[in-house]
Amino acid sequence: EVQLVQSGAEVKKPGESLKISCKGSGYSFTTYWIGWVRQMPGKGLEWMGIIYPGDSDTRYSPSFQGQVTVSVDKSNSTAYLQWSSLKASDTAMYYCARNPRRTGWYFDLWGRGTLVTVSS
Amino acid sequence: DIVMTQTPLSLSVTPGQPASISCKSSQSLLHSDGKTYLFWYLQKPGQSPQLLIYEVSNRFSGVPDRFSGSGSGTDFTLKISRVEAEDVGVYYCMQSIQLLTFGGGTKVEIK
Repeated sequence: EVQLVQSGAEVKKPGESLKISCKGSGYSFTTYWIGWVRQMPGKGLEWMGIIYPGDSDTRYSPSFQGQVTVSVDKSNSTAYLQWSSLKASDTAMYYCARNPRRTGWYFDLWGRGTLVTVSS
Repeated sequence: DIVMTQTPLSLSVTPGQPASISCKSSQSLLHSDGKTYLFWYLQKPGQSPQLLIYEVSNRFSGVPDRFSGSGSGTDFTLKISRVEAEDVGVYYCMQSIQLLTFGGGTKVEIK
């Protein structure tokens, strides 16, 4: 089955670090981009960044540049989203999603999301 | 940055009736390759978003033909010819001619 499996929910304190994961299976992981999308409670979708596992080419939304790091381990078909110092405002659902091309990105397959709660 | 503006914010529709959602972009989404990079997603309650329409008017695999997309340049429309109960959720347009931006979403509910 073609799928993206995301890591489980996290509860962290402000200032802590975090790395969440997204594992692709059932398709050629290195030939599709993986993007990350934030959805704050009760709000809409915000694109954060995207990475091409084949060569680790990475792009960020200006709104998230410097705030998060997107990475990949192609040997394990897994993409990551990480924070070095969480804030309460990072509380959100985070989705990974697959993009099939280099121009005119779109997401044809989504993970179920990882809920991150940051609270003291 | 390209801004995507959706209207209305919400829509209450009687089953079997049509529905229409507008999406306007702050810049043209027509690429030099001739394609227009405008997409539509539906996020059903408690679920991840799912792709409905790609490049303005192409239905993604498995999407019912009651969904259709149209438009060009900066003005786009998603239409549902006859709304069904399973169509409830929030609809998002998205551009990817310049990085990637989602519209604010339109919530569709059943009367």
